[in-house]
Amino acid sequence: DVKVTQSSRYLVKRTGEKVFLECVQDMDHENMFWYRQDPGLGLRLIYFSYDVKMKEKGDIPEGYSVSREKKERFSLILESASTNQTSMYLCASSLWTSGRVNTGELFFGEGSRLTVL
Amino acid sequence: GQNIDQPTEMTATEGAIVQINCTYQTSGFNGLFWYQQHAGEAPTFLSYNVLDGLEEKGRFSSFLSRSKGYSYLLLKELQMKDSASYLCAVMDSNYQLIWGAGTKLIIKP
Repeated sequence: DVKVTQSSRYLVKRTGEKVFLECVQDMDHENMFWYRQDPGLGLRLIYFSYDVKMKEKGDIPEGYSVSREKKERFSLILESASTNQTSMYLCASSLWTSGRVNTGELFFGEGSRLTVL
Repeated sequence: GQNIDQPTEMTATEGAIVQINCTYQTSGFNGLFWYQQHAGEAPTFLSYNVLDGLEEKGRFSSFLSRSKGYSYLLLKELQMKDSASYLCAVMDSNYQLIWGAGTKLIIKP
């Protein structure tokens, strides 16, 4: 079974702190994603990566950065946390197929609930 | 703009059938997905439709009409464990997923 592991289930940080959210997948997937999930809204894509050292902005990249130094690991960084970044953060991975066409089946981690005070 | 609409909450009785609708307006279409998310857990993949029609998988079925921009997820013989949020997502012409806000399904005994 594919396993996507997020390093922290719950974090509480103060405004202005730097925050690292780590995600590791064990199925050699090319694609990795960071989403945030807020009540009443659909999942919103922050960043994604389709290869090592590659990254693409999603719909809401402002205030975030990412790092993918190894295929299995995708990190989300909040350089200076703000209260409006309080949210559930979900990491996901999927298998790349030719022509960028895939079933879209994403494998999610259990999420990291971040509270910024 | 791109939009996915689904009901916020639905209630059904154990043993019954429930249909969760999803309508969409997107830039292109490369498939529609349903995910299940129990409270506090990761979303898990349920189904994928790219052609019109009904796809059946055990107690769950998913239907797609591309001309109407419409899909539904049908859950039969409801069990208490089916209480969860059901997320509809459409893959657009750029192969990016556009997500609905999810439908919270409450199952009552």
